Amino acid sequence: DVKVTQSSRYLVKRTGEKVFLECVQDMDHENMFWYRQDPGLGLRLIYFSYDVKMKEKGDIPEGYSVSREKKERFSLILESASTNQTSMYLCASSYNPGGIQYFGAGTRLSVL
Amino acid sequence: GQSLEQPSEVTAVEGAIVQINCTYQTSGFYGLSWYQQHDGGAPTFLSYNALDGLEETGRFSSFLSRSDSYGYLLLQELQMKDSASYFCDVEGLTGGGNKLTFGTGTQLKVEL
Repeated sequence: DVKVTQSSRYLVKRTGEKVFLECVQDMDHENMFWYRQDPGLGLRLIYFSYDVKMKEKGDIPEGYSVSREKKERFSLILESASTNQTSMYLCASSYNPGGIQYFGAGTRLSVL
Repeated sequence: GQSLEQPSEVTAVEGAIVQINCTYQTSGFYGLSWYQQHDGGAPTFLSYNALDGLEETGRFSSFLSRSDSYGYLLLQELQMKDSASYFCDVEGLTGGGNKLTFGTGTQLKVEL
């Protein structure tokens, strides 16, 4: 079974802090994705990566950056957290760019 | 760009049949997927349609009409455990590569 592991289930940070959200997949997938999920807005793509050291902006990249130094790991970085970044963050991976996505359990981030 | 529309909420009784519609706009359409997400859980893949017609997997079926830019998820013999959010996800071609866009999700409530 594909396993996508997000480092934290719940996270509380203060405004202005630098925040790292980590995601690891164990199926050697080329493609990895970061989404945020907010009530009524569904899943919105922040960034995705088709290969190591490669990244592409999604629909809402402002305020975020990503890092993909190794194939299995995709990190989402909030350089200076703000209250409007309080959300559920979901990581996913897939074998093909448009293929089945396997999601992690999510990280609920609260920025105070 | 890409966009999807699906109803925000659907209510049905146990044992009934329910259809969740999804209309989309995209260029270079590749396929339409459906995901299920229970409260507090991660989205999980249900089905994928690349060609017109009906795909059946047990109690769940998914339909696609590419000429109408329309698809639906059909759930039969509804059970209480089917209460969840259902997302359609379109794979299309924009800019430099494949792009994935999720709908805002349909909250299905199954009642006794």
